[in-house]
Amino acid sequence: EAEVAQSPRYKITEKSQAVAFWCDPISGHATLYWYRQILGQGPELLVQFQDESVVDDSQLPKDRFSAERLKGVDSTLKIQPAELGDSAMYLCASSLDWTGGHLNTEAFFGQGTRLTVV
Amino acid sequence: SQQGEEDPQALSIQEGENATMNCSYKTSINNLQWYRQNSGRGLVHLILIRSNEREKHSGRLRVTLDTSKKSSSLLITASRAADTASYFCATYSGGGADGLTFGKGTHLIIQP
Repeated sequence: EAEVAQSPRYKITEKSQAVAFWCDPISGHATLYWYRQILGQGPELLVQFQDESVVDDSQLPKDRFSAERLKGVDSTLKIQPAELGDSAMYLCASSLDWTGGHLNTEAFFGQGTRLTVV
Repeated sequence: SQQGEEDPQALSIQEGENATMNCSYKTSINNLQWYRQNSGRGLVHLILIRSNEREKHSGRLRVTLDTSKKSSSLLITASRAADTASYFCATYSGGGADGLTFGKGTHLIIQP
């Protein structure tokens, strides 16, 4: 069964350091999402890609966060410099969007990257 | 920002009982989805209901949608210990750039 792959699963970094997360969506999925989830809360959308284009990054702290999906397949989310408040789970998800002429927005999630900034 | 808001925040019931959780949202939607998250893991899609649907079933799950009240409910019948998880509603507003907006979730505990 196809899955969304994320790496690393866990990351500990010191504040002010750079950190990067990688996501490989399910093959053929046009939409890719990055979410941040703080313990005990729901996922918060950081950025949404449609193929290689950013369609929504309104909640992305652009002074320190960047995201790219250069060939419209896998994606990288970077934080530089990391701050203590960035400690959270970073989730990647993808969706097919259209199936047989019908809108299909069911999202498939990876296992996430647990980031701890010390 | 989070559009959906689940109620209650936490729910503890005995195995075999039914569990009901609610979701309210603020703006018009194309569809509403429910997801489950086991501790420390990714989210798993449970069910999707479109704005022109009022009720949908999948196994032990029943979802209702009232667009006039901007609310949805998820009913899990005959609960099992394995149903212990956090449950989130997510709204999709359409237009391509709205993504899936999640609520804060309901943490469900099934007591054996």
